[in-house]
Amino acid sequence: SYVLTQPPSVSVAPGQTARITCGGNNIGSKSVHWYQQKPGQAPVLVVYDDSDRPSGIPERFSGSNSGNTATLTISRVEAGDEADYYCQVWDSSSDHYVFGTGTKVTVL
Amino acid sequence: EVQLLESGGGLVQPGGSLRLSCAASGFTFSSYAMSWVRQAPGKGLEWVSAISGSGGSTYYADSVKGRFTISRDNSKNTLYLQMNSLRAEDTAVYYCAKVVTDYGDYIHSSYFDYWGQGTLVTVSS
Repeated sequence: SYVLTQPPSVSVAPGQTARITCGGNNIGSKSVHWYQQKPGQAPVLVVYDDSDRPSGIPERFSGSNSGNTATLTISRVEAGDEADYYCQVWDSSSDHYVFGTGTKVTVL
Repeated sequence: EVQLLESGGGLVQPGGSLRLSCAASGFTFSSYAMSWVRQAPGKGLEWVSAISGSGGSTYYADSVKGRFTISRDNSKNTLYLQMNSLRAEDTAVYYCAKVVTDYGDYIHSSYFDYWGQGTLVTVSS
């Protein structure tokens, strides 16, 4: 089965840039989507199709995808960005949705 | 405004059954695939099952295949998850999620654009 690997945690100071990676075999050939989940809340879509943003998501959130790594970048990090972030793909070989292991972003 | 409201969670003994429901509003329910995603306490997200807009195509994670059944009633705008032979490892918050489109003959990409608030299922004796 297809596996997506994320770093367990990322720490960043306010105003700096956070980069969250999502590793998978030839993930660049797939479309990657990212979700933000704050404690006690449901996930929220923040980036879809590698780099597009839903309406209402700040431009500070951006994404890229190439080779074996997809990346979610949060620019000018704010305290309110502290959350868990998950990448996700559709694995057409198994007809399964696959989530990454999740990354906790801590704002120092 | 899209709204998804799950219900039916609770405490059940190992080997027991439970049926979850998800009442949808704010969109044309039958035109979209729907899915269930769960999250065990302190753990990450795990996809459980999905169903096409017509209900004609269903998909299951290996961990629940043969035990869980997804279905929908488009006349009632409601999604269901029938869970049988429950195990302790099925303990989780179960989220209902709207898929961004319906499923075609081939799915290259798919994701969830709206989520419910979740319902807790606890499997314990």
